[in-house]
This record gives sequence, structure tokens and C-alpha cells, in this order.
Amino acid sequence: DVKVTQSSRYLVKRTGEKVFLECVQDMDHENMFWYRQDPGLGLRLIYFSYDVKMKEKGDIPEGYSVSREKKERFSLILESASTNQTSMYLCASSTNYGYTFGSGTRLTVV
Amino acid sequence: GENVEQHPSTLSVQEGDSAVIKCTYSDSASNYFPWYKQELGKRPQLIIDIRSNVGEKKDQRIAVTLNKTAKHFSLHITETQPEDSAVYFCAASISHSGGGADGLTFGKGTHLIIQP
Repeated sequence: DVKVTQSSRYLVKRTGEKVFLECVQDMDHENMFWYRQDPGLGLRLIYFSYDVKMKEKGDIPEGYSVSREKKERFSLILESASTNQTSMYLCASSTNYGYTFGSGTRLTVV
Repeated sequence: GENVEQHPSTLSVQEGDSAVIKCTYSDSASNYFPWYKQELGKRPQLIIDIRSNVGEKKDQRIAVTLNKTAKHFSLHITETQPEDSAVYFCAASISHSGGGADGLTFGKGTHLIIQP
């Protein structure tokens, strides 16, 4: 089974802090994605990456950046966390046969 | 970009009855349509998907139908069981033939409740 691991299950950060969310997959997938999940809004795509050092904006990239220095690792960065970035963040990797999601990181910005 | 609408937002059915969840999409170039099931506190899991060269796909009690002309697709669950209770998400994307999928656009989800 493909494994997608997110480093933290729960995080609490202060407004203005720089926040790193880490995601690692173990099946050599080219494609990796970051989504946020909010009640009533479903899953919304923040950024995705087709390959090392490549990144593409999704539907809601504002306030976020990403880094993909190694194929297996895709990091989401909140440069200056704000309360409206309180959410569940889900990482995923994919092949032609669908996505596999990580367990999610519930981020609270206070 | 792509826009996916999903209905209903909540669906309550009696155990043993069928459940149908419907989605529409806006980008006629989309050709990959997966469905995900998310149980409370867990990650979304792929349950079935369909590509645009197929009109229907079935896997035991679950089936998906696709109408490309009307740009809608539906999830059908027959003989519902308590373990079917979850939130279901539809999604659409353009899947590159070279492998992998473009970013999926998700519907907002349907909370399916199976009444005993």
C-alpha cells in the first residue's frame, strides 16, 4: 500500500508565525498535492507538484508556498500564519490509479 | 477552472435501501471522475472512479454513471449498510495520458446517514 505520511496530526501556532507542514510518500509518485478541508467547502487545492522543484498553483494559493526538493517530500509553508488559515490540511500523492491521502494535519492559528 | 457541484449535502436512507449522490462539472475537458469516502476522523479513501471513455462502472454494491454530454456523474450505492455512513466526495480532473492526474477539483461532500 502507498503510504503518505504527514508529520503532525495537530498543530497550534500563533498569528504571524512561519509554519511548515511536511508530507512524505514512499511509492516514488511524481505527483503530490496539498488540499485544505473546511466544513461546507469540501477539499480545495492549494498547490501541486509534478516533479522535483516543480510546483503549480491550485485554486487557493494565496498565503501559501511549497517546496519539493526531493521526490518523496512535499512541504507546505505558511509564510505568516493567520487565523483564517485554521483548517485541516491534507497531503496526497497520485498515479493513474487515483490519489492516496495522508491522515491530515489539523492546524489551529491563534 | 473546473467547478464541481454535488447534491445533496445530506442524505438519510433506511438500511437496505439505495442511495444516489449526484455531481455536475463545468470543464468539458475533464475526463477522470473519482469518488472518495471519508469516515469520521479519517482520510478520504478512493472507492470507485470512472474515465470519460466509459459510461458506467460497477464494483459490488457501488456503481458510478457518467453522462459526458450533460456533464454529470452519479454514485449509486445499493443495499446500504451501517458501515456506508460517511461523507462522500466526488471530484473531476483532466488526467494526463503520461501518468498521474492533474489537481482534482472536489465537490463539497455529501453526508450519508444510514438509518437502522
